[in-house]
Amino acid sequence: QQQVKQSPQSLIVQKGGISIINCAYENTAFDYFPWYQQFPGKGPALLIAIRPDVSEKKEGRFTISFNKSAKQFSLHIMDSQPGDSATYFCAASSRTSYGKLTFGQGTILTVHP
Amino acid sequence: GAVVSQHPSRVICKSGTSVKIECRSLDFQATTMFWYRQFPKQSLMLMATSNEGSKATYEQGVEKDKFLINHASLTLSTLTVTSAHPEDSSFYICSARDRGGRGETQYFGPGTRLLVL
Repeated sequence: QQQVKQSPQSLIVQKGGISIINCAYENTAFDYFPWYQQFPGKGPALLIAIRPDVSEKKEGRFTISFNKSAKQFSLHIMDSQPGDSATYFCAASSRTSYGKLTFGQGTILTVHP
Repeated sequence: GAVVSQHPSRVICKSGTSVKIECRSLDFQATTMFWYRQFPKQSLMLMATSNEGSKATYEQGVEKDKFLINHASLTLSTLTVTSAHPEDSSFYICSARDRGGRGETQYFGPGTRLLVL
């Protein structure tokens, strides 16, 4: 019940295209859903996050879509660039878990020039 | 803002020695810090949750006597890998939860690469 399932495992996109990464969860107590970007040899960096009271959040080229009834959320990267090539992790937490994040398995994104 | 540092960034040690990794929140106070380890091409695995002034809470399967955690202040937590062995070689990452605001956001350090020979 604590799992967050992320897909796809890897993704190849052409420059300028849209990258879409999906996550699904089971625990209905989750109330905070961040996305992290990680470059090789570096720590994860917070990209964007959403709470379940909204269905979409956009920051620049990054958009989170959230479907509470389906218990799914996704990250859309518009106009993907080679510099976006990294590993992306979705995560979830709840107030009752005192901020402990449950991470998805990660998606390796490669954007070809 | 919201910068977390780790020191050292990379360490190589001999089997049987102990290694200490520091995690600092530079521009905010962290009620809680978390320690993760990450193997190549895998996700982050939470090892323990560290609260200032109290004992750390370890995840199932993590040996608390092997991975000693001290959270002495609102800006510093340390992880000591005692009697390190080659299987402890990994990428160790800390994160800090901002005491201010809604306290949801975790900010991650740059990680420490540990290689045990």
